[in-house]
Amino acid sequence: DVKVTQSSRYLVKRTGEKVFLECVQDMDHENMFWYRQDPGLGLRLIYFSYDVKMKEKGDIPEGYSVSREKKERFSLILESASTNQTSMYLCASRDRGPEQYFGPGTRLTVT
Amino acid sequence: RKEVEQDPGPFNVPEGATVAFNCTYSNSASQSFFWYRQDCRKEPKLLMSVYSSGNEDGRFTAQLNRASQYISLLIRDSKLSDSATYLCVVNRRSGYALNFGKGTSLLVTP
Repeated sequence: DVKVTQSSRYLVKRTGEKVFLECVQDMDHENMFWYRQDPGLGLRLIYFSYDVKMKEKGDIPEGYSVSREKKERFSLILESASTNQTSMYLCASRDRGPEQYFGPGTRLTVT
Repeated sequence: RKEVEQDPGPFNVPEGATVAFNCTYSNSASQSFFWYRQDCRKEPKLLMSVYSSGNEDGRFTAQLNRASQYISLLIRDSKLSDSATYLCVVNRRSGYALNFGKGTSLLVTP
């Protein structure tokens, strides 16, 4: 069974703080993804990584960066959190097949 | 045209009903198609892949029409536990990432 975990289910941060969201998968998957999900907008891809230390911008990378130092861990970084980054953040991973498996999500509130 | 379009619903149906969701996609070169299910405030979970020949998993049947770029999901004998949002998903040109529809909301009532 694929297991994707995220460091926090709920997080509250202040405007301007640096925020780290962690994602770990235990299936030795090559590819990992970060999405945000907002009502009426659906899932939007922020960044993805197809190998250790490799990353690609998704559709909405502005205000975010990522880090993948180890295969199992993919971190999303909000350099200076803003209120418009309040959202549900979902991490996913995939192996050679195209289907993705999601973590439980982190609901981030920036005040 | 949006990459993946779905009727947002909501679809309100009684238990035992048959309900069908439709989805259209814009990339004619897409090769991989899925339906995901998302419960309220939870993560999306893979419900089933969709194959060209059509495929069935219990009460769920998925169909793909490549010529029309159209995907469908049929749920027979709806259960209360089927209440969720159903996401239509298609692979992107790049191959790594997926395009998600915004989802169709289903509420099955007693």
